[in-house]
Amino acid sequence: GDSVTQMEGPVTLSEEAFLTINCTYTATGYPSLFWYVQYPGEGLQLLLKATKADDKGSNKGFEATYRKETTSFHLEKGSVQVSDSAVYFCALSDTGTASKLTFGTGTRLQVTL
Amino acid sequence: GAVVSQHPSRVICKSGTSVKIECRSLDFQATTMFWYRQFPKQSLMLMATSNEGSKATYEQGVEKDKFLINHASLTLSTLTVTSAHPEDSSFYICSARGPTGVGGYTFGSGTRLTVV
Repeated sequence: GDSVTQMEGPVTLSEEAFLTINCTYTATGYPSLFWYVQYPGEGLQLLLKATKADDKGSNKGFEATYRKETTSFHLEKGSVQVSDSAVYFCALSDTGTASKLTFGTGTRLQVTL
Repeated sequence: GAVVSQHPSRVICKSGTSVKIECRSLDFQATTMFWYRQFPKQSLMLMATSNEGSKATYEQGVEKDKFLINHASLTLSTLTVTSAHPEDSSFYICSARGPTGVGGYTFGSGTRLTVV
């Protein structure tokens, strides 16, 4: 079945540092890929997505590229801020209009001054 | 953009009682809703998928008689935790998806359930 593997956290960075959170996936079809962010005590917010190979999703300085050859969708940001501290989830959905999301385990990011 | 409202945000109930959590899509018709459970510092576990007007499809290991899901309209789905026990304490999150991808996957803000 489908699965998503994320790097374990927590990841602790100083403000303005470069961020990479690795994500790889296994899927039988041609999935769409997502990054969601969860702030403490809240639900999930879509951060960015990519629906086909070589697509790059970007939002709020974050970006991730759909790499079919390496089955990866790594999240990057050039300069993190304290306000980026949250838990980040990589996810995929199978083709189809009502397919469920399969999540990775989440990576906690802590950014310090 | 698409908005999903989940209510209540926090609830404390006594062991043995039932609790209902509502999930509403405010500006789109949600043909499919998903209910997740999240344990502390862990990922989301899909509990069930519900399509408007039909019975929910539960994931393996989820007790359908304990976690009652109703999706009677295109804008409302409810999760009722029946005869709650302390081990049911958790963070429950709903997600809604419209027809042909309208609304994408939009998440509610979650409900923190504490059973005492």
